This record gives sequence, C-alpha cells and structure tokens, in this order.
Amino acid sequence: DIQMTQSPSTLSASVGDRVTITCRASQSISSWLAWYQQKPGKAPKLLIYKASSLESGVPSRFSGSGSGTEFTLTISSLQPDDFATYYCQQYYSYSLTFGGGTKVEIK
Amino acid sequence: QLQLQESGPGLVKPSETLSLTCAVSGGSISNNIYYWGWIRQPPGKGLEWIGSISYSGSTYYNPSLNSRVTISVDTSKNQFSLEMTSVTAADTALYYCARGRYCAGSDCYESGDFDYWGQGTLVTVSS
Repeated sequence: DIQMTQSPSTLSASVGDRVTITCRASQSISSWLAWYQQKPGKAPKLLIYKASSLESGVPSRFSGSGSGTEFTLTISSLQPDDFATYYCQQYYSYSLTFGGGTKVEIK
Repeated sequence: QLQLQESGPGLVKPSETLSLTCAVSGGSISNNIYYWGWIRQPPGKGLEWIGSISYSGSTYYNPSLNSRVTISVDTSKNQFSLEMTSVTAADTALYYCARGRYCAGSDCYESGDFDYWGQGTLVTVSS
C-alpha cells in the first residue's frame, strides 16, 4: 500500500493568511493526487485533481503543486469559509489511500 | 445534477453483516468513464477507502478489508452496494458512496479522484 502522510495535523491561522499543507507519499505517485475539503457534518468536496488542476467552481485562492512524493496545497488568502479539514488522496495505485487530514483552525 | 444517496440499517450487531446501497440519480451508473466507490470515516477520524467497482463489475478493495468486503453493481436499478461481513465495533463509521473519475480534463488514468459524494450514513456496530 502507498502511505500518505500529511503535515501539519492541525494548523492555526487568521483570515488573510497564506496557508500551506504538505502531503508526502511513501513512493512516487507521479501527479496522481487529489485534495479535498471537509467541513463538519458534510461530505468531502474535491478541490484539486492531478496535483495542480483546479476543480470547476473552486475559488482560485486554492492551488496545488508537486509531483513524485511531495505535494502541497496552498490557500493564498484564507477566508472564513476555508476553516475546515483537508485531505489528500493518491490514485496512482488501484488501492486508493487518503492522508490523515489537516485541520485548519481559527487563530 | 448527479446525486448519490446511501441507505441501509443504522445499527448492526457484532459478527453480523453490514449491507448498504447507494442509489445514483441524475446520471447513468453505466457510463464507462466513471467508477463507483465506498469510503468510510470513523467518528472524529480520517477517511478510509473501502473499495471501488466499475460499471462492468471489476472490483478493487482495501487490502486491510478485502476478505470481508463485497461491492456489487446493479445497472438496471442504477445503484451499487456494499456488504461487509463479521463486523466489530471498529467498523462503526459514517459510510459514504462516491463517484470516481477515470478522466478529468484531458487526462485519463486507470483510477481517479472522487468528484461526487453522498451525504453519508452512520452505521453503528453494537449489540
């Protein structure tokens, strides 16, 4: 199985801050990585696919980068609606795996 | 607009079988550029992929659950299902069904992300 490790597990930030979340794969997954946002009581929402492609309807303040084993999700200017938990997911392998999640909290 | 709706018992006894169905509306489950998956989330924890199925019935399962899980598809009813045997308290979770994409933008691959999700259904394993 490909293991996905996210850091940090929790992040405290203020509105307007630039926020970066890291996801590392236990082996190269090329660019086959997605990022999701999940709010309490809601299903995850797809933000980024193929490491850096913005899903339709997602604000442009979200961006993704990376390839191989190291990836980042960046929120350029944190908005009140962005306080949530973020997950990465690899789909290089048929056996899909998610990262452990990063909770973005209000500072 | 595609919608997915999970249904099934909210309470299952230990050692019994968990059975859930995901009804798909607003689109055909037989579209071969998509696959269908189950993901679960224990209370207060992260997401765990359970398994996936293509419209033709090809299945892939989480190796840690493989021996207990069966996913099937019923194209006539536009739905797919999950069965998990010999459940324990550790299987208590919010269970989501979701649509997976083989293709996004101009790129296609043998697996993919999940672009539509159901609202989730809580299954508690308890006697």
